[in-house]
Amino acid sequence: EPEVTQTPSHQVTQMGQEVILRCVPISNHLYFYWYRQILGQKVEFLVSFYNNEISEKSEIFDDQFSVERPDGSNFTLKIRSTKLEDSAMYFCASSQYNEQFFGPGTRLTVL
Amino acid sequence: DAKTTQPNSMESNEEEPVHLPCNHSTISGTDYIHWYRQLPSQGPEYVIHGLTSNVNNRMASLAIAEDRKSSTLILHRATLRDAAVYYCILIGNYGQNFVFGPGTRLSVLP
Repeated sequence: EPEVTQTPSHQVTQMGQEVILRCVPISNHLYFYWYRQILGQKVEFLVSFYNNEISEKSEIFDDQFSVERPDGSNFTLKIRSTKLEDSAMYFCASSQYNEQFFGPGTRLTVL
Repeated sequence: DAKTTQPNSMESNEEEPVHLPCNHSTISGTDYIHWYRQLPSQGPEYVIHGLTSNVNNRMASLAIAEDRKSSTLILHRATLRDAAVYYCILIGNYGQNFVFGPGTRLSVLP
């Protein structure tokens, strides 16, 4: 069964550093998403991507964040200058219709 | 986004049926009712979805009220592996982002 994959599973970085989280969505899907979940809190939407552009973004997704689909298979989330409060699980998801398929997540720890 | 309301937590005994309720009184005519669950330390996982009629799949059943203002996810025989947070989410259009509430934390007792 096809699945969404994410790398790395755990990323540790120093405050102020740039990180890139990578996702490989399911191949025939058209819509791509990033969500995050701070420990003990609910899952929060960050951004959705369709037809090579951002279709919607939340208030969390400020100028420090960017997304890219560089090669037709990967979907990346970049955080330019990480802050302590960026520590969270980051989930990538993809969909063809309404059902979204989520990856296992990347745990980002900012020190 | 239409809002959903779920109990914070529920408990069940292993091998017994579980009925997880969700209220969505402001649902619009085109909103699909989706259920996802999140097992500990994992990403959300699709369970089932429906529009108006009751739905069954290998994981669960979804019972939708006639006025669509509420729905119930039914796990026919709970197992320890079903212990998770269950989310009821309304989706109107393709590509629409999900709005997760706190969900219902289901505990399954052996």
